[in-house]
Amino acid sequence: GIQVEQSPPDLILQEGANSTLRCNFSDSVNNLQWFHQNPWGQLINLFYIPSGTKQNGRLSATTVATERYSLLYISSSQTTDSGVYFCAVISNFGNEKLTFGTGTRLTIIP
Amino acid sequence: SAVISQKPSRDICQRGTSLTIQCQVDSQVTMMFWYRQQPGQSLTLIATANQGSEATYESGFVIDKFPISRPNLTFSTLTVSNMSPEDSSIYLCSVEGGTQETQYFGPGTRLLVL
Repeated sequence: GIQVEQSPPDLILQEGANSTLRCNFSDSVNNLQWFHQNPWGQLINLFYIPSGTKQNGRLSATTVATERYSLLYISSSQTTDSGVYFCAVISNFGNEKLTFGTGTRLTIIP
Repeated sequence: SAVISQKPSRDICQRGTSLTIQCQVDSQVTMMFWYRQQPGQSLTLIATANQGSEATYESGFVIDKFPISRPNLTFSTLTVSNMSPEDSSIYLCSVEGGTQETQYFGPGTRLLVL
């Protein structure tokens, strides 16, 4: 099946810093989503972005489908941004189910 | 978007027992998904539950261990049977949005097996 690798695995930043999270996938996809799992375990959908660029406030995402990667940008980090960020994809050649990446744990220090 | 609730939110169970987790959605949906998240790990799909048919299980998961019910378009249950400490995980229920582009998740059930 499709492999989804995220980097870095862990990131610790000072409040106000900017960050870039990366998601690499091994096959072509027709669906890519970014999620934030807060420290209480709740998963929140951030973006549906199989290609192109989207922005929502301090967050933006870019997917370059031809090169099989996606980037999530967080600007002016706040402590509430802490948690684990997952990308998840649906492969063009798989079982049409969402496959989650390995995750990036982000810790924002006041 | 969909609003999803799960019961219980957390539980501590003895090995060898079973626990049934409930998932309620505020709108009718065709497919409901059950995921497991082991400590410090990513999410793994257990099965897909369609109303009126048997659930479809992913590789490594079997119906005897994780029986699923889907009695209507807004409700599903997942049972974790004959539990062992390795079953300690967060179990999450999920549904697709109306356009099937996005997925929404319940708050999860934190299970600890002693």
